[in-house]
Amino acid sequence: DGGITQSPKYLFRKEGQNVTLSCEQNLNHDAMYWYRQDPGQGLRLIYYSQIVNDFQKGDIAEGYSVSREKKESFPLTVTSAQKNPTAFYLCASSPTSGLVQFFGPGTRLTVL
Amino acid sequence: AQSVTQPDIHITVSEGASLELRCNYSYGATPYLFWYVQSPGQGLQLLLKYFSGDTLVQGIKGFEAEFKRSQSSFNLRKPSVHWSDAAEYFCAVGASNAGNNRKLIWGLGTSLAVNP
Repeated sequence: DGGITQSPKYLFRKEGQNVTLSCEQNLNHDAMYWYRQDPGQGLRLIYYSQIVNDFQKGDIAEGYSVSREKKESFPLTVTSAQKNPTAFYLCASSPTSGLVQFFGPGTRLTVL
Repeated sequence: AQSVTQPDIHITVSEGASLELRCNYSYGATPYLFWYVQSPGQGLQLLLKYFSGDTLVQGIKGFEAEFKRSQSSFNLRKPSVHWSDAAEYFCAVGASNAGNNRKLIWGLGTSLAVNP
């Protein structure tokens, strides 16, 4: 089945530690996106990538980093510089010529 | 400025009642419009989209939406709500001439509760 995989579903880290969230897609989509979701704040774009080896900052990129070495993969690292990292993180992808975004199941990150 | 407004943060309806969720947008270019649904702790699922043509679009799960350019609105409707429709609903807008700008602008969402 084609789709987007995010792992793990739940992630716990101690304050001050970097953590990497995985996002993999087998839809052959060029574009991939990372969103952060907090209660009452909708979806906020962290980073997006429209092609391999290229990515752009979204609205709230500070304290995050990404890489796009393969078309299928777009991992997000939450660094210790992110002041309030506890949130629900969603990965999405969209095809070359389209705007429709397809979402993964999300990763809930809790920093203790 | 480009924006999407969902005026209702939370709506409660009785099962079997009709539903309308409001979405207003401000967008300079010709918009592409979307409604997504999110169950608790899950990812988002596309309900329907409007790109062009008939301004009344049908989606999955019995939902429909109507694009009204004069009102800059794209309201979501369902004639009879089921308990399983309880979820968060998001409206989004993107550029029809997206080119290299394929970001979507998102509303803050409307939380729907369904009373039995």
